[in-house]
Amino acid sequence: QKEVEQNSGPLSVPEGAIASLNCTYSDRGSQSFFWYRQYSGKSPELIMSIYSNGDKEDGRFTAQLNKASQYVSLLIRDSQPSDSATYLCAVNWSGGSNYKLTFGKGTLLTVNP
Amino acid sequence: EPEVTQTPSHQVTQMGQEVILRCVPISNHLYFYWYRQILGQKVEFLVSFYNNEISEKSEIFDDQFSVERPDGSNFTLKIRSTKLEDSAMYFCASSELTELFFGEGSRLTVL
Repeated sequence: QKEVEQNSGPLSVPEGAIASLNCTYSDRGSQSFFWYRQYSGKSPELIMSIYSNGDKEDGRFTAQLNKASQYVSLLIRDSQPSDSATYLCAVNWSGGSNYKLTFGKGTLLTVNP
Repeated sequence: EPEVTQTPSHQVTQMGQEVILRCVPISNHLYFYWYRQILGQKVEFLVSFYNNEISEKSEIFDDQFSVERPDGSNFTLKIRSTKLEDSAMYFCASSELTELFFGEGSRLTVL
């Protein structure tokens, strides 16, 4: 059974701080990794994708992937109250264009003004 | 900006009734999907569809479920005889090479 694990939180940070979200996955052969943001009652929205080891930065967001440790993380710098949401880690076990994703349960992030 | 659209946004049905959820994927996308999320639970893959046939399906996608692309734009999920445990948010999605785009979801409530 292929699993994606996340700390469910809630994670609470003050406005302007760095929020660090973590995710582990069970299959070493996993190909691609994604972080989605989901506001309550809404659909998942892609924030970052990462495919190779190392860091990938996009604005205030940095995704980090360590395939040897089967670990992917998301850092949010200068956190804003509008970042308050559930962050979902998702893994695509197979390559190619078929996005059969396995999601974690998500980490609820609250950014306090 | 192109988007995936879903109808209805909310449907209430009686147990044992058939339900059809509809989706219009983004026009130039080739893969289409249904995911579901039971309240408070993970987002779960149900099925992917490519070139007018099912590409992959999960254990959840049993004989009660079917998908169809009846014309050039719509993509539907049919649940033949709904159960209480089918109550969930159902997300349609479509993909290009680098990203999966989700619709806003259809909330299904089975009474």
